[in-house]
Amino acid sequence: GESVGLHLPTLSVQEGDNSIINCAYSNSASDYFIWYKQESGKGPQFIIDIRSNMDKRQGQRVTVLLNKTVKHLSLQIAATQPGDSAVYFCAEKDDNDYKLSFGAGTTVTVRA
Amino acid sequence: EAGVTQSPTHLIKTRGQQATLRCSPISGHTSVYWYQQALGLGLQFLLWYDEGEERNRGNFPPRFSGRQFPNYSSELNVNALELEDSALYLCASSPGTSGRNNEQFFGPGTRLTVL
Repeated sequence: GESVGLHLPTLSVQEGDNSIINCAYSNSASDYFIWYKQESGKGPQFIIDIRSNMDKRQGQRVTVLLNKTVKHLSLQIAATQPGDSAVYFCAEKDDNDYKLSFGAGTTVTVRA
Repeated sequence: EAGVTQSPTHLIKTRGQQATLRCSPISGHTSVYWYQQALGLGLQFLLWYDEGEERNRGNFPPRFSGRQFPNYSSELNVNALELEDSALYLCASSPGTSGRNNEQFFGPGTRLTVL
C-alpha cells in the first residue's frame, strides 16, 4: 500500500551545524506535505509545509525541498540548536483524502 | 488564540474497560482528526470528523468509535480495552474541507495506559 517513510531513524548533529532529515513517499498522488516536530511528552508541532506545485520553501532556519520525480522530501535546519532535539515526522496527503499519512519519524539529537 | 486541548492528560484503565477521550479544536475549526501513537512509533490515523459527521476512518476495529458535537468538540471512545491499546492519542483540528488550507494543529495528547 501507499506509505510515507524516513531514510534514517536517528540523526546526531553538532550544535551549530546544519541538519538534513530525509523522507521518501510512495503515493504519487500526494499534493501536500508537512514537517512536524515532536518533543518528548508533547503533541506534534507544525514546522513547515509545501505543496506539490513547489520544489522549495523556506521558513525561519528551516527549508523544505520536494523532489516529485523521485518522491523525496527533505527538511534542512540551519545552525542546529539544542532546542531542535526532537522527533521529526514528515506527513503527506493527496487531493482525494483529507487525512495525513505519517512516516515513522527521525530522532534528532543535538550534541553540545 | 487557544490551541487544541485534550483531556484527560493521562488515563489508566484495565483490560475490558471503556475509555473516553475528549478534544476541543481551535476556535473556528470544523474538522477534528484522531491519531494513535504507540510508543516509539509514528502516528496512525484513526478517525476524521467534519461538521458533525464521520468522514473517514483508519484501519482500526469498530471498538474504536467517536463523535463530534455541534460545537465541533469531539470524543473518542475505545471499548473492550486491550493491552495494545496503550498509546498516546492525539487530536488535531483544521479549518475543514471548505478550502485547501489543510494544515492540522495538534493537541498535547492523552496518554492511555491499559493494565
